[in-house]
Amino acid sequence: SQQGEEDPQALSIQEGENATMNCSYKTSINNLQWYRQNSGRGLVHLILIRSNEREKHSGRLRVTLDTSKKSSSLLITASRAADTASYFCATGVTGGGNKLTFGTGTQLKVEL
Amino acid sequence: DAGVIQSPRHEVTEMGQEVTLRCKPISGHNSLFWYRQTMMRGLELLIYFNNNVPIDDSGMPEDRFSAKMPNASFSTLKIQPSEPRDSAVYFCASSLMAGVPYEQYFGPGTRLTVT
Repeated sequence: SQQGEEDPQALSIQEGENATMNCSYKTSINNLQWYRQNSGRGLVHLILIRSNEREKHSGRLRVTLDTSKKSSSLLITASRAADTASYFCATGVTGGGNKLTFGTGTQLKVEL
Repeated sequence: DAGVIQSPRHEVTEMGQEVTLRCKPISGHNSLFWYRQTMMRGLELLIYFNNNVPIDDSGMPEDRFSAKMPNASFSTLKIQPSEPRDSAVYFCASSLMAGVPYEQYFGPGTRLTVT
């Protein structure tokens, strides 16, 4: 079963604009991760945020986590055409080892 | 490191045939995961291993599916007999189990088509 639901399912923006994707989940977690998948490729890890963290940055990426609302957001600033991909959130739970439950994904299209 | 290696990259087979997918995890990683991705069901975890031992196989759809990890550098996912509904992209991922949350590294996937 899928733990996370991404919103929106699809997003189309112009190059240079910011892209925001949201993820909601159902159970308590100990970490949340974001992955990118280019068409026809495997998933690539972007960023990991632990349950005791509220915000994390990596380059043009900013992730927030609100455990009280069971939600996270991924912000990509100054988007580029190369950012076109599907983005997935994934959650891990205490005692689950490194097992992750992936969401349904957001398809981002960045147009020139 | 070459990353996670999967073979074959593409497999086309007829219904009823046996299919074996192979995975070589990143050296030093001690967790290995098999996923299936379809448009309808998204990315599903089938089974995962820690230190070559299967920990959770609750995602394996039915007895036609089996997975093994005979050593730290090799795993197989077998479907016997295959059915058209098994058509999907199958991913293998590996990770380091070190007591703290850690990212997973995915292979390029095997695109399976069962006719």
